[in-house]
Amino acid sequence: DTGVSQDPRHKITKRGQNVTFRCDPISEHNRLYWYRQTLGQGPEFLTYFQNEAQLEKSRLLSDRFSAERPKGSFSTLEIQRTEQGDSAMYLCASSLVTQVGFDEQFFGPGTRLTVL
Amino acid sequence: AQSVSQHNHHVILSEAASLELGCNYSYGGTVNLFWYVQYPGQHLQLLLKYFSGDPLVKGIKGFEAEFIKSKFSFNLRKPSVQWSDTAEYFCAVSRDTGRRALTFGSGTRLQVQP
Repeated sequence: DTGVSQDPRHKITKRGQNVTFRCDPISEHNRLYWYRQTLGQGPEFLTYFQNEAQLEKSRLLSDRFSAERPKGSFSTLEIQRTEQGDSAMYLCASSLVTQVGFDEQFFGPGTRLTVL
Repeated sequence: AQSVSQHNHHVILSEAASLELGCNYSYGGTVNLFWYVQYPGQHLQLLLKYFSGDPLVKGIKGFEAEFIKSKFSFNLRKPSVQWSDTAEYFCAVSRDTGRRALTFGSGTRLQVQP
């Protein structure tokens, strides 16, 4: 399967613990996005990378959140000192952006985080 | 900032009924428009997209959507739904340049009864 993959698919943690999620985009894609989706809502933008550069972070992304994309390949999203409000589905998407043309984002299956 | 409104939160239809899901967005600039679908237990999949040109766009599985710029709308339609169309449908918008992150609506849950 050459789509976007995410690991783990489910994570249960206790409040105050740190968690890290991984996203592997489609191999030739230069953009990678992180979104968060809570029950009954559509996904909300968190941050995105163009190759290895993190170009923007949403106000939703507090200081406890950090994301990396070393070498412009896979990406990790870390949440420190988790809170119950962090419980959500974390989605990764990737796309190939060129100077001309559109930006179609392909989504991974998501990581469902439950903070007890 | 962009925002997207989906007016129908939960729609129940019988098979063969026609479908129209409303989507309105607010943004003053040039936008790209999308409809994504999430079948039970599966990840988000692109149903159709509009970037430019013909405002009536056709997607997979017989879906189509019409972009009406004057109404800031991008409604999804299907003339005859099937049980397999049961899913959650999300309208999304992105700016034409720059960040291009998607702004999603809150989704419409479609339930098709056999």
